[in-house]
Order: sequence, then structure tokens, then C-alpha cells
Amino acid sequence: NAGVTQTPKFQVLKTGQSMTLQCAQDMNHEYMSWYRQDPGMGLRLIHYSVGAGITDQGEVPNGYNVSRSTTEDFPLRLLSAAPSQTSVYFCASSRLTSGGEETQYFGPGTRLLVL
Amino acid sequence: ILNVEQSPQSLHVQEGDSTNFTCSFPSSNFYALHWYRWETAKSPEALFVMTLNGDEKKKGRISATLNTKEGYSYLYIKGSQPEDSATYLCASYSGTYKYIFGTGTRLKVLA
Repeated sequence: NAGVTQTPKFQVLKTGQSMTLQCAQDMNHEYMSWYRQDPGMGLRLIHYSVGAGITDQGEVPNGYNVSRSTTEDFPLRLLSAAPSQTSVYFCASSRLTSGGEETQYFGPGTRLLVL
Repeated sequence: ILNVEQSPQSLHVQEGDSTNFTCSFPSSNFYALHWYRWETAKSPEALFVMTLNGDEKKKGRISATLNTKEGYSYLYIKGSQPEDSATYLCASYSGTYKYIFGTGTRLKVLA
């Protein structure tokens, strides 16, 4: 059981480049989410999905795009990278509940540096 | 956007000391409060999920309490060990499928 996997682990981009951060889970979780972690800011929600074909914005969605074509995969796209997007990105998944009582499982993170 | 605050930001304790941290969250529209343990270079791991006012949860030497009326949760560590050194995060859920995280309390246990 791999849990939540993320690739790549580390990436360097130049300003204006685009790229896709991959996230996959093998727990058949309906809920998946992307967070960014910056010093002194904690984890901030970028986008989330409650099932295949359904996505919505979180707290800091600008500059990012997501899609959810399968239950397993939830890629995060940076459309035109900016230095402000230098961060550590975490993907998480959980069973879906309206009460928020299900545990989120986090991937190992992707460290992104935008020059 | 809700504000979730944690205090203190960082804490150094001696091995064997007991310690506690606070997570404050808006009490309106409260559904659930999550605690995570986050070791350096790893990803956050769930400790507790708490939903009811007065909830108390325990896992080994770590326990947590919840007060939804006044909007706070305490995390306690009894007899701290060096392996307890980590950042402890809390996250509030108020419906709408969004979790709001605090900035964490960084604990260092000195041997």
C-alpha cells in the first residue's frame, strides 16, 4: 500500500515556465487536496476535489490549475511559474465526509524553487 | 477565511518534562479539529480527530482536549522524550470541505 505519492520530490523552474506536480493515492479516497507550506504561514489550501470531475478553489488558488479525471490522481499545474510560488507542496487525501472527521493522509511533498 | 492560531510558536523542554500547547479556532460553524505531528523532512501524520465538546483523546503519552464553546484545544505531552521533537499542527474544519491549519508549535526536547 503506497498511500499518497508525489512526484517530483524537487524541481527547479525558471520564471514563466509551466509544470505539473503529480499526486496519486491508492486508498480509493474521494477527497484530495493540495497545500503549500511557506515559512511562518503553515499549510494553506490551494485546491481540493471531492471526487472525479469535481474540483474547487481553496485559500490561495491563483496561478494554479487542477483537474480530477480519476479517483486516484490529482495533478497540480503551475501555468506560468513565479518566484512567489517557491514553496513546498503537499498533496493529501481522505475519505469524504461532510463532518470533517476523516483523517487526511499526506504525501511526502514536492519542493519547488522558481528562479 | 477562518483564523486558527497556535501557541507557543516554539518550545524547548528538558527530557522528562510535561508540556502543553494551545490551538484556538473560531467556535462558530465548528465541525472537527485535527491534530498532526510533523517531523522535519517528513509529512504530517494524524494524531487525533476531535468533534464533540469535552472530547478527550489519548495516544500513549500524548493527549488532547477540546472546548468547542470557547474555541480551543489543548495538546499535552507527558514525560517528553527526544523523539517527541516535532512540529505539532492543528487544523479546523467548519464544513465546505476546507481545512484551515494553524502555523504549528515547534517542540524541541533536550536530552
